[in-house]
Amino acid sequence: GDSVTQMEGPVTLSEEAFLTINCTYTATGYPSLFWYVQYPGEGLQLLLKATKADDKGSNKGFEATYRKETTSFHLEKGSVQVSDSAVYFCALSKNDYKLSFGAGTTVTVRA
Amino acid sequence: SQTIHQWPATLVQPVGSPLSLECTVEGTSNPNLYWYRQAAGRGLQLLFYSVGIGQISSEVPQNLSASRPQDRQFILSSKKLLLSDSGFYLCAWSAGQLSSYNSPLHFGNGTRLTVT
Repeated sequence: GDSVTQMEGPVTLSEEAFLTINCTYTATGYPSLFWYVQYPGEGLQLLLKATKADDKGSNKGFEATYRKETTSFHLEKGSVQVSDSAVYFCALSKNDYKLSFGAGTTVTVRA
Repeated sequence: SQTIHQWPATLVQPVGSPLSLECTVEGTSNPNLYWYRQAAGRGLQLLFYSVGIGQISSEVPQNLSASRPQDRQFILSSKKLLLSDSGFYLCAWSAGQLSSYNSPLHFGNGTRLTVT
């Protein structure tokens, strides 16, 4: 079945470091791809998304490019802040009503 | 603005007891509704989704059930809880198709269920 695999955490970084969270997917056809984020004490919220190959989603300094040739949707940010500490979830949707999530990656940014 | 309410926030129940978790959405009509579960160390697993009143799609076989008695109300139930039902349950809604720019998935704050 359709699934996503994301790098295991936890990831600990210093402020202004470069962040990459790897995400690869397995799906037939052309799924939409998403990154959701859960800040401490809050619910999940959409961070960015891409709906077709080569699309780049971006928000709050984060970017991810839909790479069909490598079935990947890696999340990147060039300079993280303490406020970026959160759990990040990669997800895909095939039929527009279901999201299949990865296990989540906990990121901690130290001042 | 739209809001989603989910309760209770935490729940401790003995094995074999019934379960009822409720979720309501305000500020929108005919939302798509979802129940997810997050077990410790695992990702979010879709349990049920509903695109309309009385329409429930089940994603995984289990001893849980879902109902949608009203447009903006989604209930997760069990007649007899198992230890393996422990986890973090999240209700969510979307306005329409998830790939639409204006239709992300909105989550509630979740219910931490511990079955003892």
